[in-house]
Amino acid sequence: DIQMTQSPASLSASLGETVTIECLASEDIYSNLAWYQQKPGKSPQLLIYDASSLQDGVPSRFSGSESGTQYSLEINSLQSEDAATYFCQQHHDYPPLTFGSGTKLEIK
Amino acid sequence: QVTLKESGPGILQPSQTLSLTCTFSGFSLSTYGMGVGWIRQPSGKGLEWLANIWWDDDKYYNPSLKNRLTISKDTSNNQAFLKITNVDTADTATYYCARMRPWELYFDYWGQGVMVTVSS
Repeated sequence: DIQMTQSPASLSASLGETVTIECLASEDIYSNLAWYQQKPGKSPQLLIYDASSLQDGVPSRFSGSESGTQYSLEINSLQSEDAATYFCQQHHDYPPLTFGSGTKLEIK
Repeated sequence: QVTLKESGPGILQPSQTLSLTCTFSGFSLSTYGMGVGWIRQPSGKGLEWLANIWWDDDKYYNPSLKNRLTISKDTSNNQAFLKITNVDTADTATYYCARMRPWELYFDYWGQGVMVTVSS
């Protein structure tokens, strides 16, 4: 199984700041990584796929990048509506498809 | 407009079989390459992929649930189904169904989820 190690587990940032969330894959997943946003009481929503492709309708302040087996989600110009939990998911190989453990983002 | 909605029993007892239905619109599971998956999330915890089914009836399961899962579909009625046998309190979770874009292994549209509690 491909393990996805996500960090940090939580973070707090102020409006307008930039934050970065990371996922480390246990092996090469060849840019096959998705990021999801989940607001409290809601279902996850796809933000990014193929490591850096923005899903339709997602604001451009969200971006994804990679360096080897390390994948990053960057959120620029934080807004209050960005408060959520973020998950990564490898979509390279299965079964099983695997998710990171999540990062809870609080906006100060 | 793509929508998915899950339905289930709400509560069931240990050792029973959980039957879930996903009713969707805005796409067809007869479309070449299309897929639907099931994912669950215990309260306050992470996401666990369970299974998915493809347009051609090909099926994949999470090995960690061994032989307890059965996924199926009714293409004419735009539904997908998941059964989990011999449930335990550890199966208490919100269950989501989600669309898988043709030939892709990520989930671009999700249902609202259905909460399932296993309790004696």
